Amino acid sequence: AQTVTQSQPEMSVQEAETVTLSCTYDTSESDYYLFWYKQPPSRQMILVIRQEAYKQQNATENRFSVNFQKAAKSFSLKISDSQLGDAAMYFCAYRDFGNEKLTFGTGTRLTIIP
Amino acid sequence: KAGVTQTPRYLIKTRGQQVTLSCSPISGHRSVSWYQQTPGQGLQFLFEYFSETQRNKGNFPGRFSGRQFSNSRSEMNVSTLELGDSALYLCASSLGDYSNQPQHFGDGTRLSIL
Repeated sequence: AQTVTQSQPEMSVQEAETVTLSCTYDTSESDYYLFWYKQPPSRQMILVIRQEAYKQQNATENRFSVNFQKAAKSFSLKISDSQLGDAAMYFCAYRDFGNEKLTFGTGTRLTIIP
Repeated sequence: KAGVTQTPRYLIKTRGQQVTLSCSPISGHRSVSWYQQTPGQGLQFLFEYFSETQRNKGNFPGRFSGRQFSNSRSEMNVSTLELGDSALYLCASSLGDYSNQPQHFGDGTRLSIL
């Protein structure tokens, strides 16, 4: 079974600084998708960024980028120019090809210090 | 485009009762997945429905069931409620074509068992 590990339960960063959240996963599959979702106190899970395993190029969405290392099974999220609105729980998630099921990590609570 | 709508937002039940939660997906989405979120177990996949058929199922007891209607709306039912069923139940919708398109989540239903 696939597993996703987020080893940082909590992180904090100064406003306008850069922070990196870690995620590792375990799978025997070669084709899959990886996602980062954020969950603010409002509860709704919001997609931050996604990566297809067959793409070598790291995904980028504005201030958010990933460092995808397929051989190491690592998928970290970098948030640049951190803003107060970035404060939330961040979940790393894995999805097999041919499946809609998401397997989530335990989450990292990100605090932004003004 | 309206997002994923879950009703009700909050529910309070007592042990032994049953409950039905509702999820209306984004227009055009044919897949609906359900997740249970608790502080202890994190986010766990319950099941996925596509075109009125359960396509995938997580490791939950038979007390948890669901269904999907022809308009893709889905309901989840939990019978003989236990204290441990207290959780945030999240619904997510997607095209269901196993493409790189992500799942979109609703705000969840907070279920409390007394």
